Amino acid sequence: EVQLVESGGGLVQPGGSLRLSCAASGFMFSNYDMNWVRQAPGKGLEWVSYISSSGITIYYADSVRGRFTISRDNAKNSLFLQMNSLRAEDTAVYYCARDPGGWLHFDYWGQGALVTVSS
Amino acid sequence: SYELTQPPSVSVSPGQTASITCSGDNLGDKYACWYQQRPGQSPVLVIYQDNKRPSGIPERFSGSISGNTATLTISGTQAMDEADYYCQAWDSITAHWVFGGGTKLTVL
Repeated sequence: EVQLVESGGGLVQPGGSLRLSCAASGFMFSNYDMNWVRQAPGKGLEWVSYISSSGITIYYADSVRGRFTISRDNAKNSLFLQMNSLRAEDTAVYYCARDPGGWLHFDYWGQGALVTVSS
Repeated sequence: SYELTQPPSVSVSPGQTASITCSGDNLGDKYACWYQQRPGQSPVLVIYQDNKRPSGIPERFSGSISGNTATLTISGTQAMDEADYYCQAWDSITAHWVFGGGTKLTVL
């Protein structure tokens, strides 16, 4: 069974940093592209970042480029999102999502991790 | 930046057919997919590559595309289908995944 479990969320002050993790199981993690998607309270889905299966190709949404860094450890079946210079508008539930490739869709999502940026 | 436009809300009576649209420039040249998100839950893929249904998704869910508008159709809508629905497509020009704003489906 495919499982994606996010962790590392919490309360952080504006300007602070946080690192999210996504533990993958039930599939060959190194064969899949991965993404982070966020959802602000009461709002819609917003794509945040993409990383290819090898980790070589990376893309970011304009709203986070230069502040967030996506990475992965295929040996540990893990995906990460390092978030720096956090702002109130970064407050959201962050989901990791599996991408089967070919720019088609996300076929599995984690349960999400809540990040709250507030003083 | 690329945008996908959905109606904010759609209402349907139980047993009737609900249609949710998603419009975007040159959407017909891309693949659209659809997610269902029930309150407090993670999104679930219900349609991919315009009109394909993942295993486990009921047959009452179908997708189509005409010109630059993709449509999610739910036939014989049930109370359990009440949820938010999002369309998504890949914009190769900006190298961004794009979501529509979401449509709240109310079954009443």
